[in-house]
Amino acid sequence: QKEVEQDPGPLSVPEGAIVSLNCTYSNSAFQYFMWYRQYSRKGPELLMYTYSSGNKEDGRFTAQVDKSSKYISLFIRDSQPSDSATYLCAMSRVKTSYDKVIFGPGTSLSVIP
Amino acid sequence: DTAVSQTPKYLVTQMGNDKSIKCEQNLGHDTMYWYKQDSKKFLKIMFSYNNKELIINETVPNRFSPKSPDKAHLNLHINSLELGDSAVYFCASSPPGTSGGDQETQYFGPGTRLLVL
Repeated sequence: QKEVEQDPGPLSVPEGAIVSLNCTYSNSAFQYFMWYRQYSRKGPELLMYTYSSGNKEDGRFTAQVDKSSKYISLFIRDSQPSDSATYLCAMSRVKTSYDKVIFGPGTSLSVIP
Repeated sequence: DTAVSQTPKYLVTQMGNDKSIKCEQNLGHDTMYWYKQDSKKFLKIMFSYNNKELIINETVPNRFSPKSPDKAHLNLHINSLELGDSAVYFCASSPPGTSGGDQETQYFGPGTRLLVL
């Protein structure tokens, strides 16, 4: 079993839809959870960051972490064509440069105008 | 103004050759990384350096050798290139994590697309 699993998609939704992206993980030691967005032919950029369980909201984006189920989600409200990208979940055990961040394989999202 | 830059952006070469990829960051970060992203978009860490010291060395062939001449630069040298080395290589940097900074906020470069023929 891979440490972090993510449905690769592709996921195609109409503009304005609510998008739900999910990851599951196996290592209960993970405490820091991130979502990165990667546009085609670009490097990933950090979108959301959460610590431990709970929700975090930033504009149209909401990140949820359920450590008991080892499950994290990213919700995008009122999706826009500019949200079309690959979304990578990522996680780490401790908040230090000495620990590696594990990335999921990414979900490809297309928002159709 | 580019925060993390990599050269070259594209690299096409023959099997068996030796090549280098350079990375520079102007963010004043202490930590730099090399990641490999394969054709399935899986982003996997290869190395990380903190203040020129090797911190993370994942299970990569010893044909790959990172070098950090100073904390703003991290280069990757690859010897005897193989077909399986074809991928996109990303450099990234992050601020000090042990000082309350956000280690999770890794800033990625644009990537170097390596194709080995």
